[in-house]
Amino acid sequence: EDKVVQSPLSLVVHEGDTVTLNCSYEVTNFRSLLWYKQEKKAPTFLFMLTSSGIEKKSGRLSSILDKKELFSILNITATQTGDSAIYLCAVGGSEKLVFGKGMKLTVNP
Amino acid sequence: GAVVSQHPSRVICKSGTSVKIECRSLDFQATTMFWYRQFPKKSLMLMATSNEGSKATYEQGVEKDKFLINHASLTLSTLTVTSAHPEDSSFYICSARPASGTGGFYGYTFGSGTRLTVV
Repeated sequence: EDKVVQSPLSLVVHEGDTVTLNCSYEVTNFRSLLWYKQEKKAPTFLFMLTSSGIEKKSGRLSSILDKKELFSILNITATQTGDSAIYLCAVGGSEKLVFGKGMKLTVNP
Repeated sequence: GAVVSQHPSRVICKSGTSVKIECRSLDFQATTMFWYRQFPKKSLMLMATSNEGSKATYEQGVEKDKFLINHASLTLSTLTVTSAHPEDSSFYICSARPASGTGGFYGYTFGSGTRLTVV
């Protein structure tokens, strides 16, 4: 059965801290791993990773995939209160996306 | 590019009535769309995979007769919650994946979601 596991499930930090979110997976016919940020409504796309070892960056966020060890990390540096959200990891297998449970990040001023 | 429009964003209906939610891909064709349900503080739960021109594939435990899915065109899928009950109250989200042969991006784009409240 396809499985995506995120850790930690929740994290509380102070502004300026750096956080690392983990996502491990077991899926058949891996196609891509996606990170989403969800605030009040639908998830918004952050990154799509398909190749091992290639870091993707967007501002203070970066992510990398290890297809050998079957995991990905999402880094957020110099966190801000606006980074408070649920971060979802999803893996695209044969057809559908399999989601992890999400990680609730709270950034306190 | 890759925008998915979902509406209504919020609907309140009486118990026993049916509600239709639309999901449209605005600037790409989507042979496959997905319908998710999200309970408070939980991750997204896939309900069904909607394939253009054919029957939807439902996940285990999802009632086909209750959640009717129609994917009549390459840009539109609808989810109808029939004979809604208060326990159907939830956040429903659709997503669509551009065909991998139409530009290379095979990520998933989400609609903005529909908050259904059944009273």
